[in-house]
Amino acid sequence: DAKTTQPNSMESNEEEPVHLPCNHSTISGTDYIHWYRQLPSQGPEYVIHGLTSNVNNRMASLAIAEDRKSSTLILHRATLRDAAVYYCILRDVGEYGNKLVFGAGTILRVKS
Amino acid sequence: GAGVSQSPRYKVAKRGQDVALRCDPISGHVSLFWYQQALGQGPEFLTYFQNEAQLDKSGLPSDRFFAERPEGSVSTLKIQRTQQEDSAVYLCASSLVSGRLGEQFFGPGTRLTVL
Repeated sequence: DAKTTQPNSMESNEEEPVHLPCNHSTISGTDYIHWYRQLPSQGPEYVIHGLTSNVNNRMASLAIAEDRKSSTLILHRATLRDAAVYYCILRDVGEYGNKLVFGAGTILRVKS
Repeated sequence: GAGVSQSPRYKVAKRGQDVALRCDPISGHVSLFWYQQALGQGPEFLTYFQNEAQLDKSGLPSDRFFAERPEGSVSTLKIQRTQQEDSAVYLCASSLVSGRLGEQFFGPGTRLTVL
């Protein structure tokens, strides 16, 4: 599985935008970029995914670099409920079984 | 609607005891996954079912770990002769389709502590 690199932790102020970076320099042409987050004492939850184009949904936006070697998850207005561990995961479109391979993720702290 | 549920939420076992952890996936979900999450780390894949068929068990750490999903819905992860290193949160996830990009829905996990 291609690997991703994320900062160990980040801090944000409430109501401000947050940009969570992810490097994936060995990404293959068939890898999708997925983001999951894990709130304290809960299981992970899906946030967003994309292949080449930037993506938006009700939770967040995903900006993908033109060479696809990096991406950024954008939370437009962080709230205290967004404090979580954020995982950037590559999933091969050709991979049977589609298990998720988690790294250590980024711990996001939100200050009020 | 109901999400993925797991029971028990907490389990304390003495070393050497057998434990059984239950997962109730979202109704109709074809795929079911088990993950193990040690303290301070990301979840690690254990095993995968498509309906009742266990198609990937490459992540099971030893032959003490056994998983089943006999009717293609509820799944049980069994750990025999528990060891202290088995202490972790065990997460179950289900996915509607067996396709490669299906969103996985996770349960709250079972926290296992082996004394």
